[in-house]
Amino acid sequence: NAGVTQTPKFRILKIGQSMTLQCTQDMNHNYMYWYRQDPGMGLKLIYYSVGAGITDKGEVPNGYNVSRSTTEDFPLRLELAAPSQTSVYFCASSFLAGYGYTFGSGTRLTVV
Amino acid sequence: AQKVTQAQTEISVVEKEDVTLDCVYETRDTTYYLFWYKQPPSGELVFLIRRNSFDEQNEISGRYSWNFQKSTSSFNFTITASQVVDSAVYFCALSEARSNTDKLIFGTGTRLQVFP
Repeated sequence: NAGVTQTPKFRILKIGQSMTLQCTQDMNHNYMYWYRQDPGMGLKLIYYSVGAGITDKGEVPNGYNVSRSTTEDFPLRLELAAPSQTSVYFCASSFLAGYGYTFGSGTRLTVV
Repeated sequence: AQKVTQAQTEISVVEKEDVTLDCVYETRDTTYYLFWYKQPPSGELVFLIRRNSFDEQNEISGRYSWNFQKSTSSFNFTITASQVVDSAVYFCALSEARSNTDKLIFGTGTRLQVFP
């Protein structure tokens, strides 16, 4: 039972580069989320999805994009990376509202 | 608007001391869920407990206990006889049932350091 798998674990990007953070879950969860964690700031919601084909913006969506073509996958795309996007990114999924999340292990991204 | 406040940024204790982590929340919903997560130095986020707004019973799990008080909008977390392995950042979080999206609003976390 893999749970929520995120790749890569670490990445260094140059300003202006693009990349996709991958997130896959094998629990057949409908709800999926992307959060970023900045030091001392807690976790902020970037995008979320309540099912395949349905996505919506969270609190801090600027500079990011998502898609949800299958129940299992919820990739996060960074276009034109900026130093402000240096952060730790967590993907999460949940089965039902109010039951709590299963988190991936995180991706530490540095933009230089 | 929803909000979660963890006023304690950092707490340091010596092993075997009891410690309470405070969490105060704001919501206009009558049905909501509260959570605590632990983030050890390795960085992963570990689910500790879930509480719905209709269940004000306190909960105890080993050395961990939680005190939910709707009257003061608080959901505090106590570790009894703390151990070095309890050193971590602890997050309190809130989700509202009305939206049916299960979005979690997190507090800024409390860093607990337990010294031997």
